[in-house]
Amino acid sequence: DSGVTQTPKHLITATGQRVTLRCSPRSGDLSVYWYQQSLDQGLQFLIQYYNGEERAKGNILERFSAQQFPDLHSELNLSSLELGDSALYFCASSVGLAGPSSTDTQYFGPGTRLTVL
Amino acid sequence: DQQVKQNSPSLSVQEGRISILNCDYTNSMFDYFLWYKKYPAEGPTFLISISSIKDKNEDGRFTVFLNKSAKHLSLHIVPSQPGDSAVYFCAARAYNFNKFYFGSGTKLNVKP
Repeated sequence: DSGVTQTPKHLITATGQRVTLRCSPRSGDLSVYWYQQSLDQGLQFLIQYYNGEERAKGNILERFSAQQFPDLHSELNLSSLELGDSALYFCASSVGLAGPSSTDTQYFGPGTRLTVL
Repeated sequence: DQQVKQNSPSLSVQEGRISILNCDYTNSMFDYFLWYKKYPAEGPTFLISISSIKDKNEDGRFTVFLNKSAKHLSLHIVPSQPGDSAVYFCAARAYNFNKFYFGSGTKLNVKP
């Protein structure tokens, strides 16, 4: 158990809909990262938050947005869903920012499997 | 743009032998490298890491080697055990971009 929790575990919805995925980081971790893993693909970095602020952006679509709340939990919002958005969405947390001498490690949650029909 | 590549999608090894998983990267700004193991229906689990100031890091049966000139890292598992069967991802970080880049994974099968 990494200490990172994600809900829901599974989500089935229809095209055009909007869903929210939730992540609670490990106790004491300030950074939250979101990743997408499509079928047989690697992990694609979407976005990172540190202590409530967006810090880095990856290949995140405009239809997707995220935020980190004062209690440090994070939500990933996916809207106008398309069939191609079906994937595993992982959240990871780490203690802090990646600095030049940092060896900060990310710990992953179990993921949310999103199926868009 | 795939900055971290794992060119072998799968690897099969006999129990007790050495498993060698390879990873190549293109960005010379990467300063920190990690390996993760992933079982089906679970999130990736951190395995071992190495800073760019080192060329080797060892943790029990797992050793990671970094060859900066070749932009190549490898994970050695000795001896391999059936429980090591999983998908292994390598990842790299460029601190100035504050992002982690992951490879596509190598599925390791350790046969009893």
